[in-house]
Amino acid sequence: DGGITQSPKYLFRKEGQNVTLSCEQNLNHDAMYWYRQDPGQGLRLIYYSQIVNDFQKGDIAEGYSVSREKKESFPLTVTSAQKNPTAFYLCASRVPESNQPQHFGDGTRLSIL
Amino acid sequence: SQQGEEDPQALSIQEGENATMNCSYKTSINNLQWYRQNSGRGLVHLILIRSNEREKHSGRLRVTLDTSKKSSSLLITASRAADTASYFCATDISFFTNAGKSTFGDGTTLTVKP
Repeated sequence: DGGITQSPKYLFRKEGQNVTLSCEQNLNHDAMYWYRQDPGQGLRLIYYSQIVNDFQKGDIAEGYSVSREKKESFPLTVTSAQKNPTAFYLCASRVPESNQPQHFGDGTRLSIL
Repeated sequence: SQQGEEDPQALSIQEGENATMNCSYKTSINNLQWYRQNSGRGLVHLILIRSNEREKHSGRLRVTLDTSKKSSSLLITASRAADTASYFCATDISFFTNAGKSTFGDGTTLTVKP
Protein backbone atom coordinates (compact mmCIF):
# COMPACT_ATOMS: atom_id res chain seq x y z
CA ASP A 1 0.00 0.00 0.00
CA GLY A 2 1.18 3.51 -0.77
CA GLY A 3 1.72 5.95 2.02
CA ILE A 4 4.03 8.15 4.03
CA THR A 5 6.40 6.73 6.62
CA GLN A 6 7.83 8.91 9.36
CA SER A 7 10.55 7.73 11.70
CA PRO A 8 11.29 7.54 14.50
CA LYS A 9 7.94 7.72 16.29
CA TYR A 10 9.59 9.21 19.39
CA LEU A 11 12.81 11.22 19.52
CA PHE A 12 14.72 12.88 22.32
CA ARG A 13 17.13 15.75 21.89
CA LYS A 14 19.89 16.89 24.18
CA GLU A 15 20.93 20.52 24.54
CA GLY A 16 23.04 21.69 21.60
CA GLN A 17 22.23 18.63 19.52
CA ASN A 18 20.85 18.51 15.99
CA VAL A 19 18.36 15.75 15.26
CA THR A 20 16.91 14.57 11.94
CA LEU A 21 13.39 13.36 11.36
CA SER A 22 12.80 11.06 8.42
CA CYS A 23 9.92 11.25 5.95
CA GLU A 24 9.57 8.81 3.05
CA GLN A 25 6.65 8.51 0.62
CA ASN A 26 5.88 6.00 -2.12
CA LEU A 27 2.89 7.89 -3.52
CA ASN A 28 4.89 9.47 -6.35
CA HIS A 29 3.89 12.94 -5.12
CA ASP A 30 6.01 15.91 -6.16
CA ALA A 31 4.99 18.20 -3.30
CA MET A 32 5.99 17.51 0.31
CA TYR A 33 5.46 19.46 3.52
CA TRP A 34 6.62 19.57 7.14
CA TYR A 35 4.30 20.80 9.89
CA ARG A 36 4.70 21.40 13.59
CA GLN A 37 1.78 20.75 15.94
CA ASP A 38 1.76 21.96 19.54
CA PRO A 39 -0.72 20.54 22.08
CA GLY A 40 -4.30 21.55 21.39
CA GLN A 41 -3.33 23.55 18.35
CA GLY A 42 -3.46 23.30 14.60
CA LEU A 43 -0.66 22.72 12.12
CA ARG A 44 1.99 25.30 11.32
CA LEU A 45 4.06 24.99 8.16
CA ILE A 46 7.83 24.69 8.62
CA TYR A 47 9.13 23.95 5.10
CA TYR A 48 7.72 22.73 1.82
CA SER A 49 9.06 21.38 -1.44
CA GLN A 50 7.35 21.32 -4.81
CA ILE A 51 10.07 19.43 -6.66
CA VAL A 52 13.36 17.65 -6.12
CA ASN A 53 16.30 19.92 -5.19
CA ASP A 54 13.97 22.81 -4.40
CA PHE A 55 12.32 23.86 -1.14
CA GLN A 56 10.95 27.00 0.50
CA LYS A 57 10.52 28.27 4.03
CA GLY A 58 7.12 28.12 5.60
CA ASP A 59 5.78 30.23 8.44
CA ILE A 60 8.10 28.95 11.19
CA ALA A 61 11.34 27.87 9.46
CA GLU A 62 13.79 29.37 11.96
CA GLY A 63 15.85 26.66 13.68
CA TYR A 64 14.98 24.02 11.08
CA SER A 65 16.55 22.82 7.84
CA VAL A 66 15.51 20.38 5.10
CA SER A 67 16.82 18.71 1.97
CA ARG A 68 15.08 17.20 -1.04
CA GLU A 69 17.62 15.08 -2.91
CA LYS A 70 15.11 12.41 -3.90
CA LYS A 71 11.45 12.62 -4.80
CA GLU A 72 10.59 10.05 -2.13
CA SER A 73 12.44 11.65 0.77
CA PHE A 74 12.14 14.96 2.63
CA PRO A 75 14.10 14.83 5.91
CA LEU A 76 13.79 17.60 8.51
CA THR A 77 16.67 18.59 10.79
CA VAL A 78 15.84 20.33 14.04
CA THR A 79 18.95 22.33 14.85
CA SER A 80 20.27 23.54 18.18
CA ALA A 81 19.08 27.01 17.16
CA GLN A 82 15.49 25.86 17.69
CA LYS A 83 15.08 26.67 21.38
CA ASN A 84 11.65 25.17 21.85
CA PRO A 85 11.61 22.01 19.73
CA THR A 86 9.23 19.94 21.85
CA ALA A 87 6.27 19.25 19.56
CA PHE A 88 4.60 16.74 17.28
CA TYR A 89 6.01 16.87 13.74
CA LEU A 90 3.95 15.82 10.75
CA CYS A 91 5.06 15.21 7.18
CA ALA A 92 2.63 15.35 4.26
CA SER A 93 2.60 15.05 0.49
CA ARG A 94 0.18 15.77 -2.29
CA VAL A 95 -0.35 15.56 -6.01
CA PRO A 96 0.89 18.78 -7.66
CA GLU A 97 -2.47 20.03 -8.80
CA SER A 98 -5.32 21.73 -7.03
CA ASN A 99 -8.29 19.97 -5.50
CA GLN A 100 -6.36 17.02 -4.16
CA PRO A 101 -5.95 16.50 -0.41
CA GLN A 102 -2.74 16.07 1.50
CA HIS A 103 -1.64 12.65 2.72
CA PHE A 104 -0.03 12.54 6.16
CA GLY A 105 2.42 10.33 7.97
CA ASP A 106 1.86 9.26 11.56
CA GLY A 107 4.16 11.85 13.03
CA THR A 108 7.27 12.06 15.19
CA ARG A 109 7.05 13.30 18.76
CA LEU A 110 10.19 15.21 19.73
CA SER A 111 11.06 15.93 23.35
CA ILE A 112 13.96 17.58 25.16
CA LEU A 113 16.11 15.51 27.52
CA SER B 1 -3.94 34.77 12.08
CA GLN B 2 -5.20 31.42 10.88
CA GLN B 3 -7.21 31.30 7.67
CA GLY B 4 -9.50 28.62 9.06
CA GLU B 5 -11.05 28.73 12.50
CA GLU B 6 -13.15 25.91 13.87
CA ASP B 7 -16.06 26.25 16.22
CA PRO B 8 -16.63 24.92 18.82
CA GLN B 9 -13.17 24.15 20.19
CA ALA B 10 -14.59 21.13 22.02
CA LEU B 11 -17.78 19.13 21.65
CA SER B 12 -19.05 16.29 23.86
CA ILE B 13 -22.08 14.22 22.84
CA GLN B 14 -23.70 10.86 23.48
CA GLU B 15 -23.40 7.97 21.07
CA GLY B 16 -26.13 8.12 18.45
CA GLU B 17 -26.39 11.91 18.47
CA ASN B 18 -25.32 14.12 15.59
CA ALA B 19 -22.21 16.29 15.78
CA THR B 20 -21.82 19.56 13.90
CA MET B 21 -18.56 21.45 13.57
CA ASN B 22 -18.06 24.76 11.81
CA CYS B 23 -15.15 26.35 10.01
CA SER B 24 -14.79 29.98 9.01
CA TYR B 25 -12.13 31.45 6.75
CA LYS B 26 -11.07 34.87 5.60
CA THR B 27 -10.09 34.89 1.92
CA SER B 28 -11.45 33.37 -1.28
CA ILE B 29 -10.57 29.71 -1.66
CA ASN B 30 -10.21 27.01 -4.30
CA ASN B 31 -11.33 24.26 -1.96
CA LEU B 32 -11.81 23.36 1.68
CA GLN B 33 -10.80 20.06 3.23
CA TRP B 34 -11.82 18.32 6.42
CA TYR B 35 -9.40 16.02 8.23
CA ARG B 36 -9.63 13.79 11.28
CA GLN B 37 -6.82 13.18 13.77
CA ASN B 38 -6.87 10.47 16.39
CA SER B 39 -4.74 11.09 19.45
CA GLY B 40 -1.04 10.79 18.66
CA ARG B 41 -1.62 10.00 14.99
CA GLY B 42 -1.42 11.79 11.66
CA LEU B 43 -4.30 13.50 9.89
CA VAL B 44 -6.65 11.49 7.72
CA HIS B 45 -8.50 13.18 4.88
CA LEU B 46 -12.30 13.00 5.11
CA ILE B 47 -13.85 15.21 2.44
CA LEU B 48 -12.66 17.89 0.01
CA ILE B 49 -15.25 20.35 -1.25
CA ARG B 50 -14.52 22.68 -4.14
CA SER B 51 -15.48 26.34 -4.14
CA ASN B 52 -18.21 25.74 -6.74
CA GLU B 53 -19.82 22.97 -4.68
CA ARG B 54 -22.33 23.51 -1.89
CA GLU B 55 -22.65 20.08 -0.31
CA LYS B 56 -20.87 16.73 -0.30
CA HIS B 57 -21.63 13.45 1.42
CA SER B 58 -19.50 10.48 2.40
CA GLY B 59 -21.16 7.79 4.48
CA ARG B 60 -22.25 9.43 7.74
CA LEU B 61 -20.43 12.66 6.89
CA ARG B 62 -22.02 15.69 5.32
CA VAL B 63 -20.07 18.84 4.45
CA THR B 64 -21.57 22.12 3.37
CA LEU B 65 -19.82 25.18 1.99
CA ASP B 66 -21.18 28.72 1.92
CA THR B 67 -18.69 30.90 0.05
CA SER B 68 -20.78 34.04 0.60
CA LYS B 69 -20.36 33.60 4.36
CA LYS B 70 -16.88 32.09 4.04
CA SER B 71 -17.89 29.16 6.18
CA SER B 72 -18.23 25.38 6.10
CA SER B 73 -19.77 22.81 8.37
CA LEU B 74 -19.09 19.14 8.99
CA LEU B 75 -21.98 17.02 10.20
CA ILE B 76 -21.41 13.54 11.58
CA THR B 77 -24.68 11.66 11.91
CA ALA B 78 -25.41 8.82 14.33
CA SER B 79 -22.07 9.29 16.05
CA ARG B 80 -20.10 6.39 17.52
CA ALA B 81 -17.48 6.24 20.26
CA ALA B 82 -14.94 5.55 17.51
CA ASP B 83 -15.64 9.04 16.07
CA THR B 84 -13.85 10.52 19.10
CA ALA B 85 -11.01 12.57 17.56
CA SER B 86 -9.95 16.07 16.58
CA TYR B 87 -11.33 17.45 13.36
CA PHE B 88 -9.56 20.11 11.30
CA CYS B 89 -10.54 22.19 8.34
CA ALA B 90 -7.94 23.36 5.84
CA THR B 91 -8.24 25.79 2.95
CA ASP B 92 -6.39 26.07 -0.35
CA ILE B 93 -6.15 29.49 -1.98
CA SER B 94 -4.56 28.62 -5.29
CA PHE B 95 -2.13 25.81 -5.90
CA PHE B 96 -0.21 27.55 -8.64
CA THR B 97 0.36 30.75 -6.68
CA ASN B 98 0.52 29.17 -3.25
CA ALA B 99 2.48 25.96 -3.91
CA GLY B 100 -0.32 23.76 -2.67
CA LYS B 101 0.00 25.11 0.84
CA SER B 102 -3.10 24.52 2.90
CA THR B 103 -3.90 26.66 5.93
CA PHE B 104 -5.21 24.70 8.92
CA GLY B 105 -7.44 25.79 11.75
CA ASP B 106 -6.94 24.84 15.39
CA GLY B 107 -9.47 22.04 15.26
CA THR B 108 -12.54 20.83 17.12
CA THR B 109 -12.07 18.06 19.68
CA LEU B 110 -15.04 15.70 19.56
CA THR B 111 -15.77 13.29 22.40
CA VAL B 112 -18.50 10.71 21.86
CA LYS B 113 -19.60 9.03 25.07
CA PRO B 114 -20.81 5.43 24.86
